[in-house]
Amino acid sequence: SSELTQDPAVSVALGQTVRITCQGDSLRRYYASWYQQKPGQAPVLVIFHKNNRPSGIPDRFSGSRSGNTASLTITGAQAEDEADYYCKSRDTNDNDLIFGGGTKLTVL
Amino acid sequence: QVQLQESGPGLVKPSETLSLTCTVSGGSVSSGSYYWSWIRQPPGKGLEWLGYMYYSGSTNYNPSLNSRVTMSEDTSKNQFSLKLSSVTAADTAVYYCARQYCGGGKCYDAFDIWGQGTMVTVSS
Repeated sequence: SSELTQDPAVSVALGQTVRITCQGDSLRRYYASWYQQKPGQAPVLVIFHKNNRPSGIPDRFSGSRSGNTASLTITGAQAEDEADYYCKSRDTNDNDLIFGGGTKLTVL
Repeated sequence: QVQLQESGPGLVKPSETLSLTCTVSGGSVSSGSYYWSWIRQPPGKGLEWLGYMYYSGSTNYNPSLNSRVTMSEDTSKNQFSLKLSSVTAADTAVYYCARQYCGGGKCYDAFDIWGQGTMVTVSS
């Protein structure tokens, strides 16, 4: 099975732009979905497929992919965006699902 | 508005079987083309996908669980369930159930609806 690699921690100044990345072989074939998780809460889907946002997700969240790397970009980060972010994709065996290890985002 | 709610024992003894149920409200476990999944999160750690199942009965499990996991549905109760056998302390985690996102006539590899999670501790 393959893996998805994320940086453990990233920080951003309030109002600035931050990119959270996810690397893995499966991302050459499959899109990542991205989840935001705040302490004590269930994850929330913020981006899926190419660059789609579920209803209610602010448009400052966007997604992209290049080669084996998927990225979640927050343009104009807000204090409420401080959370853990996880990418998820399908494995190279086409059957299993895999999560990245998560990135803790701090908004300074 | 579809909602999911996990339920089951909060404490399981080592070597026993962990059994959890996810109750679906506001929708039907037997409708559409969704897959239904279980995900867990050990304390202070990341998310781990355990498996998914379709209403048709088709299932796929995380191979790292070494065939310890079984998922099934009970349409009469609008529930789906998880069984994890031969548990150890490493299975201590918050367990979430989740539903695949479908919209605009398509389904995507994403979970848009999650339960609140239930903490399961494996200890004697």
